[in-house]
Amino acid sequence: DQQVKQNSPSLSVQEGRISILNCDYTNSMFDYFLWYKKYPAEGPTFLISISSIKDKNEDGRFTVFLNKSAKHLSLHIVPSQPGDSAVYFCAARFTSGTYKYIFGTGTRLKVLA
Amino acid sequence: DTGVSQDPRHKITKRGQNVTFRCDPISEHNRLYWYRQTLGQGPEFLTYFQNEAQLEKSRLLSDRFSAERPKGSFSTLEIQRTEQGDSAMYLCASSLAGDGELNSPLHFGNGTRLTVT
Repeated sequence: DQQVKQNSPSLSVQEGRISILNCDYTNSMFDYFLWYKKYPAEGPTFLISISSIKDKNEDGRFTVFLNKSAKHLSLHIVPSQPGDSAVYFCAARFTSGTYKYIFGTGTRLKVLA
Repeated sequence: DTGVSQDPRHKITKRGQNVTFRCDPISEHNRLYWYRQTLGQGPEFLTYFQNEAQLEKSRLLSDRFSAERPKGSFSTLEIQRTEQGDSAMYLCASSLAGDGELNSPLHFGNGTRLTVT
């Protein structure tokens, strides 16, 4: 049972435009959501997170939006740069009882120069 | 800040052999996690520790897998009698947990890539 889903395996965007990566989850007990970026042969790198008590969090070019009623979060990258080309994973953590993080299957972003 | 360190980076072994991986977390982090990642998939939770206590293990973790964190610092993950299906990237991550924590992201190492022939 995939509790965190990234339904788009890949996305291509022109440099300078907005990249929007989407993530859906099924378990309402998640309270903390994160986005990671991964380059080949490296571990995932933390990008940005959001608590379930918020609906938006911004850090520079990166903004995460959370829609709890739809169980959906998205990552916006504006403007997109070629160096943003990587695989992006969303992750979620349970609110209590366990502090394990569940990851989606990833979306490969390619930013075209 | 040295980050999360994993050793070795690559391991090739023959089916049936035992392998052990080491993870050194960020020094002040008290939680340590092991994940496994295969091609086209996201990191899959295996187990985690708070200090030296192993608090949770995935049901996917067979009895051939064992993890330890004896002094609450570094951790080892051992796989006994390896099988070809164990071939994957094994990732270690750490985080700082405290009272009233809300935001405690995982920080990953660069992983150990295991190939079982």
